[in-house]
Amino acid sequence: SYELTQPPSVSVSPGQTASITCSGDKLGDKYVSWYQQKPGLSPVLVIYQDSKRPSGIPERFSGSNSGNTASLTISGTQAMDEADYFCQAWDSSAVVFGGGTKLTVL
Amino acid sequence: QVQLVQSGAEVKKPGASVQVSCKASGYTFTDYYLHWVRQAPGQGLEWMGRINTNSGGTNYAQKFQGRVTLTRDTSISTAYMALSSLRSDDTAVYYCARETGLITGDGFDIWGQGTMVTVSS
Repeated sequence: SYELTQPPSVSVSPGQTASITCSGDKLGDKYVSWYQQKPGLSPVLVIYQDSKRPSGIPERFSGSNSGNTASLTISGTQAMDEADYFCQAWDSSAVVFGGGTKLTVL
Repeated sequence: QVQLVQSGAEVKKPGASVQVSCKASGYTFTDYYLHWVRQAPGQGLEWMGRINTNSGGTNYAQKFQGRVTLTRDTSISTAYMALSSLRSDDTAVYYCARETGLITGDGFDIWGQGTMVTVSS
């Protein structure tokens, strides 16, 4: 079955750029979405179709996808961005999620 | 506003079944697929399946085939997820989520608040 691999954790200083990767076989041929989840809350869509931002998502969130790796980039990271982030893609009519990355802002 | 409201927490014994509901409001229910995703305590997101709310057609994750049933009642804009033969490792928060509908195979733009299902003897 198809797998998406994310680093378990990423740390960033406030105001710096955070990058979270998501790897999968020929992932660049699929659309990738990214979700932010804070403790006790439901996931929130922050990027869809590789690089599009839903309304209400700050411009500091951006995404890219090429080859075997998709990336979520947060520019000028703020303390409020500390959360778990999950990538998601489709494979043969089934949805696959990455294992998640805990972003720490310190 | 567009929202999905789920039913309340459940406690079940091993071997029992559970049904969780997801009521949509603020949009045309039958215009969007609904998915079910679960999250065990401290773990990641796990896709269970989806339902075409217009036709009632379903796709299930292989892991849950034969144990999960997705249905909907269009008259009350509500989708249901039933899971049978519950085990302790089914203890999780269960979410319904709306597929964006912009293209086939897109992300999920609206999520329910989650329903905690605890399986314990």
